[in-house]
Amino acid sequence: GNSVTQMEGPVTLSEEAFLTINCTYTATGYPSLFWYVQYPGEGLQLLLKATKADDKGSNKGFEATYRKETTSFHLEKGSVQVSDSAVYFCALHGSSNTGKLIFGQGTTLQVKP
Amino acid sequence: EAGVVQSPRYKIIEKKQPVAFWCNPISGHNTLYWYRQNLGQGPELLIRYENEEAVDDSQLPKDRFSAERLKGVDSTLKIQPAELGDSAVYLCASSLEEGRNTIYFGEGSWLTVV
Repeated sequence: GNSVTQMEGPVTLSEEAFLTINCTYTATGYPSLFWYVQYPGEGLQLLLKATKADDKGSNKGFEATYRKETTSFHLEKGSVQVSDSAVYFCALHGSSNTGKLIFGQGTTLQVKP
Repeated sequence: EAGVVQSPRYKIIEKKQPVAFWCNPISGHNTLYWYRQNLGQGPELLIRYENEEAVDDSQLPKDRFSAERLKGVDSTLKIQPAELGDSAVYLCASSLEEGRNTIYFGEGSWLTVV
């Protein structure tokens, strides 16, 4: 079945460091891919998405490219801020399981001043 | 435009007691979801509605969980009786329609069973 695997956290970085959070997926067909962010005590917020191969999603300085050849959707940001501290979830919406988002286990990011 | 609204935000109950969560989706969104998020894990789907019809409830523990979406708008998720293992965040979400539309989440209802 469809699945998402994220790098384990926590990831601890200093402010202005470069961020990469790895995400790989297993799916049949052509899924849509998402990154959601969850700040402490809050619900999930959509950060960015990509719906087809080679698409790049971007928002708030974050970006991720849908790589079908490597089944990956790694999240990157060039310079993180303390306010980026949160849990990041990679998710897929498969073409064969319409309506159901499948999430990775989440990666906690801690940014220190 | 208002997002997905959930209540209560926080609930602490004793085991064996009932609890109910309410959700109001984004206006015009036909598809409504209930997810459960255990501590340190990603959300998992409990039930999905298309309008008032539950089209996927395969992951809903039907012995103690029930849900309804009367008139195809608001929805209620109930647990009776609650068990210690039900402590989690219950997330409601909605999207325009079934398929590949973006799913928007509410802030969640944080349940602690003691």
